[in-house]
Amino acid sequence: EAGVAQSPRYKIIEKRQSVAFWCNPISGHATLYWYQQILGQGPKLLIQFQNNGVVDDSQLPKDRFSAERLKGVDSTLKIQPAKLEDSAVYLCASSLGVEITEAFFGQGTRLTVV
Amino acid sequence: QKEVEQDPGPLSVPEGAIVSLNCTYSNSAFQYFMWYRQYSRKGPELLMYTYSSGNKEDGRFTAQVDKSSKYISLFIRDSQPSDSATYLCAIVKTSYDKVIFGPGTSLSVIP
Repeated sequence: EAGVAQSPRYKIIEKRQSVAFWCNPISGHATLYWYQQILGQGPKLLIQFQNNGVVDDSQLPKDRFSAERLKGVDSTLKIQPAKLEDSAVYLCASSLGVEITEAFFGQGTRLTVV
Repeated sequence: QKEVEQDPGPLSVPEGAIVSLNCTYSNSAFQYFMWYRQYSRKGPELLMYTYSSGNKEDGRFTAQVDKSSKYISLFIRDSQPSDSATYLCAIVKTSYDKVIFGPGTSLSVIP
């Protein structure tokens, strides 16, 4: 079974630039999560989708972050404009249902903002 | 007070040692307690989870929850170099609720 695919693996941008990350979940998984993991910290949920609807985006900085999940499959996370403090690993995870204990994580995209 | 706290380490042990990893949490409403392993430059993978108090064993790994003291532990027996990773504890109120992760403990098992 293929895992959660993310791209790119690494990205370096200057502050105030924009960036987008892509996630392809495991086939058939209805729930998709985006997490932000800052160095030395645990992952923090940014947004959770159930199919193509948003379940929780309470910790998404909506003034600069946006996410969409087209047709309930792939998802993109965008930052515009980026700040230095956005430097982190952005992890995508997916699960068949809504139970987090069933979720699988991708390898993440490491973003460095300079 | 943070919702979940964890000693970041790093922790270094010789191969074959018993490893004890611990977390404390602040809110008694949490019911599910999970341990994830994260290798360098990889995403976290769920090792095991427990519901409410008690112990759960899976091979060399034992998870323990003491809700009265809001303390969770992961024990690794006969540690191997392949166990070298960051271990994240995580807590959640229900299995479909938002997960709160600890900052992780970095473990190195020296051959």
